[in-house]
Amino acid sequence: DADVTQTPRNRITKTGKRIMLECSQTKGHDRMYWYRQDPGLGLRLIYYSFDVKDINKGEISDGYSVSRQAQAKFSLSLESAIPNQTALYFCATSERTGGTDTQYFGPGTRLTVL
Amino acid sequence: AQSVTQLDSHVSVSEGTPVLLRCNYSSSYSPSLFWYVQHPNKGLQLLLKYTSAATLVKGINGFEAEFKKSETSFHLTKPSAHMSDAAEYFCVVSDDQAGTALIFGKGTTLSVSS
Repeated sequence: DADVTQTPRNRITKTGKRIMLECSQTKGHDRMYWYRQDPGLGLRLIYYSFDVKDINKGEISDGYSVSRQAQAKFSLSLESAIPNQTALYFCATSERTGGTDTQYFGPGTRLTVL
Repeated sequence: AQSVTQLDSHVSVSEGTPVLLRCNYSSSYSPSLFWYVQHPNKGLQLLLKYTSAATLVKGINGFEAEFKKSETSFHLTKPSAHMSDAAEYFCVVSDDQAGTALIFGKGTTLSVSS
């Protein structure tokens, strides 16, 4: 079984709709992240959480919100989707060992906003 | 602030020839550096990581990278390319002292011809 799972894997929605992307992990890591990937831009950080009570904005948080329901679950919401939020979204987890975080990624969710 | 620059957006090689993917970084502190690979329609897989233990880092699938502080570089190499190496590769920097999340390069697409 995959250590980091994302649901749904693909989603098509319309402008103005509310969308939630979910991430679950069985790695037991405290730290979780949401990124978006756009062609030619690499991955950019949206939000991250170092534990259940900790939520931090990343580079491009506008238009997004998150919820850390438990250590294993981290959801990303688009309150009112717009076309330029069409992208591939990745969830990741990490643990800090020896002063270094190593991140492990889910399979991604492809979101299309029409 | 830390940043990473991948010097080539696209690299093409023939099967059996060496691979060189170039990456320069900028960091205020001693960085941790990573290379990730993304095969078409797949998530990101960790190839290797540098955490100051050794400047030459060996990863999976025959890849290795050398950390050169004087040149602020972390280039990825492989002696002999295989068709299955065709993918997108990301150089990534983490500022360990700040404990923040990863900063991704924009990616290098590696094409391998027979």
